[in-house]
Amino acid sequence: KAGVTQTPRYLIKTRGQQVTLSCSPISGHRSVSWYQQTPGQGLQFLFEYFSETQRNKGNFPGRFSGRQFSNSRSEMNVSTLELGDSALYLCASSLTGTPEAFFGQGTRLTVV
Amino acid sequence: GENVEQHPSTLSVQEGDSAVIKCTYSDSASNYFPWYKQELGKGPQLIIDIRSNVGEKKDQRIAVTLNKTAKHFSLHITETQPEDSAVYFCAAAGASGYSTLTFGKGTMLLVSP
Repeated sequence: KAGVTQTPRYLIKTRGQQVTLSCSPISGHRSVSWYQQTPGQGLQFLFEYFSETQRNKGNFPGRFSGRQFSNSRSEMNVSTLELGDSALYLCASSLTGTPEAFFGQGTRLTVV
Repeated sequence: GENVEQHPSTLSVQEGDSAVIKCTYSDSASNYFPWYKQELGKGPQLIIDIRSNVGEKKDQRIAVTLNKTAKHFSLHITETQPEDSAVYFCAAAGASGYSTLTFGKGTMLLVSP
């Protein structure tokens, strides 16, 4: 069974630009969560989607947004990029009704 | 909101020794406590988890214990091997849903041959 797939693996963007990251969950998983990982703040919850609806949201500015499609694939978007947005962005998927979350390899975003 | 503290931040052991990593949480409503292992360049891998209705869980060389009263839980790795070297994260969830994990800052475990 394929794991969680995130694309692209690496991105370099300029301040002020916007970026879209993609996540394909494990087949059959309908819940997708996004996390930001930085050396200073560690792993922080961004948001969770289930059945195309945002179910929970972390404490991040409105520049961070996401969506989920009918096939459970999810995208997150960051607009007006800042240097501090440089991080590893991780996506995790879960089977409905179970707590176990399985992470992808992440997208490494560098803002210059 | 939930706050998870993890100690130590780094841990060096000799191959064959045991390693213990401890975490405390603040929200008594949390009821799910997973542990993740993250190797360089990879995403976190779920290695073991425990729910609040269980005090201890074992899986081969790995065990997790939970003390709900004291609001702390620990990861125990016995007979450590060099391939156990990685960063380990504890997390807590439940109050806002299982998918909203609050993570500790991580422990870098180094197992020397």
